[in-house]
Amino acid sequence: TQLLEQSPQFLSIQEGENLTVYCNSSSVFSSLQWYRQEPGEGPVLLVTVVTGGEVKKLKRLTFQFGDARKDSSLHITAAQTGDTGLYLCAANSGNTPLVFGKGTRLSVIA
Amino acid sequence: DTAVSQTPKYLVTQMGNDKSIKCEQNLGHDTMYWYKQDSKKFLKIMFSYNNKELIINETVPNRFSPKSPDKAHLNLHINSLELGDSAVYFCASSHIGSPLHFGNGTRLTVT
Repeated sequence: TQLLEQSPQFLSIQEGENLTVYCNSSSVFSSLQWYRQEPGEGPVLLVTVVTGGEVKKLKRLTFQFGDARKDSSLHITAAQTGDTGLYLCAANSGNTPLVFGKGTRLSVIA
Repeated sequence: DTAVSQTPKYLVTQMGNDKSIKCEQNLGHDTMYWYKQDSKKFLKIMFSYNNKELIINETVPNRFSPKSPDKAHLNLHINSLELGDSAVYFCASSHIGSPLHFGNGTRLTVT
C-alpha cells in the first residue's frame, strides 16, 4: 500500500506570513496532485506534477515535486484568509487508484 | 451547470435501514468513483467504475453495492446501515489516470 504522509497536520498562522506544507512517501509516483477542500465541499484540484524536480506556480502558491518523485511541497507566500482550508496531496502510479494523504488543515487568521 | 452532482447532501437515518446516494456527472468522463471521508478527514477510495465496469473494489463490506446504469451515473446503495457508516461520501469522476472532479459530498449520519 502506498502511503502519503502530510505534515504538519494542523497549521495556524497570521495573515501575511509564509508557510510550507509537506507530502512524503517511500514510494515513487508517476504523478502527484494537490487539492484544497473547504467545509461542506469536495476537494478541488490545484495542480498536478509529473516530472521529478518540477516546480509549478499558481499565484502565491508554489508546488515542487521531489527529484525522486517520492515527495512534494506546497509553499504559500503572504497567506490570506481565503487560503484557509484542508490541503490534500494525492498520488498514483500509472492507472493505480489515487491515494490521498490525511491532509494539512490550514487556518489563516486576520 | 454543476459538473459532479450528488444527492442528497445530508442523510440522517437509523441503524438497520437501507439507503441510496445518487451521483451524476456531465463532464463526459469515462471513470467514476466513490470515496469515504471519515471524521478525521481521511479520504479513502471505495469503488471505481470505468465505462460502467467495476475496476476497483477496495475492502468494503458487501452491504455497500454500487450501481452504474450508464457512464454518467454511479449510485451507491447501502444495506443494513451501521453506526460506523457515518461519514461524508464523495462521488468523483475523471478520465482514467487524470485528476478527479469531486461532488460536494453526502453527509451520512446513522443514529
